[in-house]
Amino acid sequence: AQKITQTQPGMFVQEKEAVTLDCTYDTSDPSYGLFWYKQPSSGEMIFLIYQGSYDQQNATEGRYSLNFQKARKSANLVISASQLGDSAMYFCAMREQGADSGAGSYQLTFGKGTKLSVIP
Amino acid sequence: EAGVAQSPRYKIIEKRQSVAFWCNPISGHATLYWYQQILGQGPKLLIQFQNNGVVDDSQLPKDRFSAERLKGVDSTLKIQPAKLEDSAVYLCASSLRHRARDLAKNIQYFGAGTRLSVL
Repeated sequence: AQKITQTQPGMFVQEKEAVTLDCTYDTSDPSYGLFWYKQPSSGEMIFLIYQGSYDQQNATEGRYSLNFQKARKSANLVISASQLGDSAMYFCAMREQGADSGAGSYQLTFGKGTKLSVIP
Repeated sequence: EAGVAQSPRYKIIEKRQSVAFWCNPISGHATLYWYQQILGQGPKLLIQFQNNGVVDDSQLPKDRFSAERLKGVDSTLKIQPAKLEDSAVYLCASSLRHRARDLAKNIQYFGAGTRLSVL
């Protein structure tokens, strides 16, 4: 079973509008972290924001916020006031922190990504 | 603060040739990662180092891939011999720690990657 699911292969948003990129995850580990990265066409993976499973409040970083719904196992990225420079691939990733996560514990597992296109 | 440096940015080789990639992590970062990203997919971890020791290489195809991190700083990833299916972007990342309870210390910062084409 996939640990990270991003159901939107591509999204379009008008410049200055807000957009939500979906991410659902699957884990039995009570301690984990969720991360979002942006990958422009240049190829570099740029860290945007993270959320810990025990964090009480949703994470925010500038125009980025993470809509964390633990019971639904979702960690959607919200980008407010979209800019042309936001056009890129966006990846959701998870890191399980527990000792019983088995081989590969502590590694970052990525989804397949969502391609966001901002329209002027 | 300088980011993760990788070279070369692009490499084109023929199958059965060998190739090497270089990575210099962020200063002070103990943990270094190599990922393979095939077109249309998310990155997949190949190998993870803590200082100069291997933490996880369970997904590294050891018959053709090798990696080392001498002196716990720079790292090289080698493919010998290359196959057509090795065409991908190879990303290097680093983090302060890899087992810290504080998630902020585990954040991985990536380089620009090396785009490999095997013909």
